[in-house]
Amino acid sequence: EDQVTQSPEALRLQEGESSSLNCSYTVSGLRGLFWYRQDPGKGPEFLFTLYSAGEEKEKERLKATLTKKESFLHITAPKPEDSATYLCAVRDTGNQFYFGTGTSLTVIP
Amino acid sequence: SAVISQKPSRDICQRGTSLTIQCQVDSQVTMMFWYRQQPGQSLTLIATANQGSEATYESGFVIDKFPISRPNLTFSTLTVSNMSPEDSSIYLCSVNGGSLADTQYFGPGTRLTVL
Repeated sequence: EDQVTQSPEALRLQEGESSSLNCSYTVSGLRGLFWYRQDPGKGPEFLFTLYSAGEEKEKERLKATLTKKESFLHITAPKPEDSATYLCAVRDTGNQFYFGTGTSLTVIP
Repeated sequence: SAVISQKPSRDICQRGTSLTIQCQVDSQVTMMFWYRQQPGQSLTLIATANQGSEATYESGFVIDKFPISRPNLTFSTLTVSNMSPEDSSIYLCSVNGGSLADTQYFGPGTRLTVL
């Protein structure tokens, strides 16, 4: 069964303390892996799309990487404004989307 | 990426009533999607709305409870009917976009609380 698992469920970091979020996936055929940021009570905001193993994308303090089984969202020197829930999703070759339950990130000043 | 707006942004409703949520996109799109996100959970697809045809509902969701309209290529509505507290969720509208049209972009969401 296709599925997406994110870990950890919650992460607390001191400002400036770098870390990584994990997204493990099992799909019959990967068409794309997506990262979103979601603030409380708001819709997910698109961050990155990754298509193939070895691909990397960067945006400010965020960097997403992809292997055949998982993706990492690396956060370098985070700031309090990076606090949010980060969602991972995959799209399979049947055009079905599968979303993870997210990692809730809190960055403490 | 498409710009998506939703109305209302939030509402508090009484049990047994209905609420219609509107979704407007700034460009013409073939498909629009409606999701539900219950507290602490991930996104669950309710239905896909194509202009000019009936919406396609996912397992566990029925038209009588969640009727959808799609009158044109930029607009859709989702009605949550005969509401109960279990319907308290964020309701999200989304469309495909990106260079390969394979990325889902989401509206700001409608936060519904049913008392």
